[in-house]
Formats: sequence, structure tokens, C-alpha cells
Amino acid sequence: GQNIDQPTEMTATEGAIVQINCTYQTSGFNGLFWYQQHAGEAPTFLSYNVLDGLEEKGRFSSFLSRSKGYSYLLLKELQMKDSASYLCAVTDSNYQLIWGAGTKLIIKP
Amino acid sequence: NAGVTQTPKFRVLKTGQSMTLLCAQDMNHEYMYWYRQDPGMGLRLIHYSVGEGTTAKGEVPDGYNVSRLKKQNFLLGLESAAPSQTSVYFCASSPRAEGSDEQFFGPGTRLTVL
Repeated sequence: GQNIDQPTEMTATEGAIVQINCTYQTSGFNGLFWYQQHAGEAPTFLSYNVLDGLEEKGRFSSFLSRSKGYSYLLLKELQMKDSASYLCAVTDSNYQLIWGAGTKLIIKP
Repeated sequence: NAGVTQTPKFRVLKTGQSMTLLCAQDMNHEYMYWYRQDPGMGLRLIHYSVGEGTTAKGEVPDGYNVSRLKKQNFLLGLESAAPSQTSVYFCASSPRAEGSDEQFFGPGTRLTVL
């Protein structure tokens, strides 16, 4: 079966750095996405990785290791507005997105 | 540009009632999707469409039907609602399904079936 695992919840302090991990087992791999979803709102795109390595975009970076079936999202200089759920999703061999359940990130002052 | 819009935003149904959720996008995207999101679970694909006049089943299609008569609209129908269909429903669209094309999501419809 297809499976994506993320921690259910994480807590971090404003101004700090947090790493959210995602491991996956899917039938085929055509890329990995990270989305942000604030409570009661729609998911919005953060990053895309298809090759091994680190993609940096401002305060957010995303890393991929295809051989390990592993990705992480790194958030630096945390702000209160970063309190949200972070969704990991993998595009499988049929080009359908398989979604993880999301990691709820709580930022404390 | 409104992006992806959904109507209604909230709805309460009684078991056995029917309803249609409307999704519209103004980005000229070929692909459109209907998902449901339940607590503790990832987004699950109900049905999707790769172009006007075409639809296909996703992971959890039972109890739902869809139509894509116009490129910009994607309708999701519940013929006989059940309490198990209580969920938040998201519509999304993308230019293609390949590569780095992100999916753009509507604001969601919160449906409660009593």
C-alpha cells in the first residue's frame, strides 16, 4: 500500500528553527510537495522537490532523499503566523497526489 | 482573478438528502479535483477530471458523482447523503498533473450530515 508518515504535532518557540519530517512509501515517485494549511483554510503550496537535495525559499527549505524515501521541511526564524498544519504529499506513478495526515505546528512566544 | 471558488461554504443535510457542490476556476486549468479532509487523515481524492467532459474515480468515489460539462466548473453530487460523508470538501485545480504543477485549492465546503 501507499503510505506517508509525518509527526502529528510539534511545538517550537518563536524565533527558533524547526524541522518537520516526512517518510513515504508509494507506488512510483514523481515529486514531493509541501503545503501549508492554516486552521479552517485551504492548503497553499510551499515547495516542490523531485531531485535529491535541498531547495531553499526564504525562511523555508525542503530536503529530499529519494533513496531513503525521506523529506523534511525546515522553517527558520519562526513567527507566530507559522502556526499551521504542514502537509507532505507525493506524486505517485499515476501522477496522483498521495497526502500525509499533516503535522500541526504550534508556535509559542 | 478569483482563483478557485466553492459554493456553498457550509451546509447541513439530513440523511438521505441530496446536494451538489459547485467548484469554479478562472485559471484555465485542465485538471480539477475533489478531495475530502477528515480529522487525523490526509486529503483523500474522491474524483478528478483531466479535461472538459472527462471524469475519473479517485481513492474514495463511492456515494459521490461528478460532472465537468464546462472547463471552468467541476460539480460534486451526493445523491443520498450519509453521516459518513460529514467532512470538509476541497476542490482543487492544476494546469497538468505532471512535474511541479501545484494544485490550487478552493476555500472548502463544510458539510454535516445528521
